[in-house]
Amino acid sequence: DVKVTQSSRYLVKRTGEKVFLECVQDMDHENMFWYRQDPGLGLRLIYFSYDVKMKEKGDIPEGYSVSREKKERFSLILESASTNQTSMYLCASSSLLAGGLPNEQFFGPGTRLTVL
Amino acid sequence: GQNIDQPTEMTATEGAIVQINCTYQTSGFNGLFWYQQHAGEAPTFLSYNVLDGLEEKGRFSSFLSRSKGYSYLLLKELQMKDSASYLCAVRVYNFNKFYFGSGTKLNVKP
Repeated sequence: DVKVTQSSRYLVKRTGEKVFLECVQDMDHENMFWYRQDPGLGLRLIYFSYDVKMKEKGDIPEGYSVSREKKERFSLILESASTNQTSMYLCASSSLLAGGLPNEQFFGPGTRLTVL
Repeated sequence: GQNIDQPTEMTATEGAIVQINCTYQTSGFNGLFWYQQHAGEAPTFLSYNVLDGLEEKGRFSSFLSRSKGYSYLLLKELQMKDSASYLCAVRVYNFNKFYFGSGTKLNVKP
């Protein structure tokens, strides 16, 4: 059974703290993604990675950074957490189709982050 | 920019058929995906279209018209467990990114 796991289901942090969200996939997928999901806004892409040590900005990268040192692990870092980063964070991975297109995504269970 | 629209909420009756629409205005379109998301859970993949026409997978079918920027997800023989949000996502050529609609919450009533 394929699996994407995230380090925490719920997390509460204080403004200004550095926050690490970890994501691990066991499917040997090339692509990994970080999204945040807010009511009425859908899933918005923060960063994605198509290979080890490679990263690309998504639509809302400000205030975030990422790290991919190993193929199976993709970390999201909030450098200095702010209250407007309170959200549900979803990690996903996908394989590559012929031609380099990403296939359907497999999602982790999500981390609900609250910044006080 | 990229724009994907879905109805916010729909209600249907158990055993019925429901159609959830998705319209998009994107540049570099190269595929449309549908996901199901139960409350508090992760989205799971349902269906995928890259060419025009209908894709059928059991009780679920998805249709795409690229010229109209339109897709729909058709759910037949509705069951209570189909109560969930349904997300439409467009894949674009620009770094092969995905853009999601805000989702349609489907309520299935007895």
